[in-house]
Amino acid sequence: DTGVSQDPRHKITKRGQNVTFRCDPISEHNRLYWYRQTLGQGPEFLTYFQNEAQLEKSRLLSDRFSAERPKGSFSTLEIQRTEQGDSAMYLCASSHPGPDEQYFGPGTRLTVT
Amino acid sequence: LAKTTQPISMDSYEGQEVNITCSHNNIATNDYITWYQQFPSQGPRFIIQGYKTKVTNEVASLFIPADRKSSTLSLPRVSLSDTAVYYCLVGGYMLTFGGGTRLMVKP
Repeated sequence: DTGVSQDPRHKITKRGQNVTFRCDPISEHNRLYWYRQTLGQGPEFLTYFQNEAQLEKSRLLSDRFSAERPKGSFSTLEIQRTEQGDSAMYLCASSHPGPDEQYFGPGTRLTVT
Repeated sequence: LAKTTQPISMDSYEGQEVNITCSHNNIATNDYITWYQQFPSQGPRFIIQGYKTKVTNEVASLFIPADRKSSTLSLPRVSLSDTAVYYCLVGGYMLTFGGGTRLMVKP
């Protein structure tokens, strides 16, 4: 399977804990995106990378959130000191440059108790 | 970023053609119009993209009038498996999803 993969698929954590998610994009795609989706809503853009450079960050990405793509391949999204409001599906997507379609992974569902 | 407006929900029956219209009055000159489909607990899946006039692929057609202030996604002969949320987006790489249209296909 050469699609976008995300790990883990589900994460349950207690409030105040740190969590880290991983995204492996399609190998030839140099753009990688993170989105967050809450129940009943459409995905919200968080940030995107072109190769290893993080070029855009949404205001939704508070100081507790950090994303990296150290070698321009996989990416990690870390949430520090999780809050119940962080409970959501975190989606990763990748694409070629330009208005090309984005290929989404299956998402990581985070539940903060 | 251009805002889109589309119906919250639609019902249809198997075998019918479904047309979902999206309005995007503030679309910019360089913006493309893209539609995604999303099933529960899955990431969105690209359906079709266009800039103007009509685009057709093996899944759907996209009709865009000359003023580009709206677009219509046409799904021919829907089946139960087409029950999903359909999102209309305009813009570039920073996708802005609205609430989407929840399509329910009934037998």
